Amino acid sequence: AQSVTQLGSHVSVSEGALVLLRCNYSSSVPPYLFWYVQYPNQGLQLLLKYTSAATLVKGINGFEAEFKKSETSFHLTKPSAHMSDAAEYFCAVRAGGGSEKLVFGKGTKLTVNP
Amino acid sequence: NAGVTQTPKFQVLKTGQSMTLQCAQDMNHEYMSWYRQDPGMGLRLIHYSVGAGITDQGEVPNGYNVSRSTTEDFPLRLLSAAPSQTSVYFCASRGNRGTNTGELFFGEGSRLTVL
Repeated sequence: AQSVTQLGSHVSVSEGALVLLRCNYSSSVPPYLFWYVQYPNQGLQLLLKYTSAATLVKGINGFEAEFKKSETSFHLTKPSAHMSDAAEYFCAVRAGGGSEKLVFGKGTKLTVNP
Repeated sequence: NAGVTQTPKFQVLKTGQSMTLQCAQDMNHEYMSWYRQDPGMGLRLIHYSVGAGITDQGEVPNGYNVSRSTTEDFPLRLLSAAPSQTSVYFCASRGNRGTNTGELFFGEGSRLTVL
């Protein structure tokens, strides 16, 4: 069964610093991978997704993620953090081959300090 | 364009009471699902449906029932609420087979407190 591990439940960066949020997955078949963002008191919205095309995926708000099969990783990065990036971020995996279930990690809360 | 609409947004129940969380989507999505979100636990799948008349269990189905009589609606029923069901509940839907990219569209959530 597929699973997701997000390393670090809280990450704190300074404004303008690099953002790196880590995600490792487990899947028995080639996966679809996603990053979602949740702002306070809101639902989740999609940041970016990997669906077996390019391994480097660009998303909204300057975020990107790289799929590394050898490392079973899909880390999320942004070169320069903005205050508005403060939110909780969730990595999710959907096993390919017609699987319907989307499994989420436990989330990483990003704090951006001025 | 409403997307995924959940009602109510807030609800307080007493232990043993029943209630239904409503979810409706206007995107003609075949797939609909319910998640619960608890601090430090991420989102956990309760039940999901791949079309009208078809439902299946997720990771944490106990204490919850669902049905899917129409494409648009996917209500979640708590038959006898327990304090352990205090949580924020999210409904999410996804596009149709063959065209979907796996992206889930989420409602704004329903915050349930069971006393």
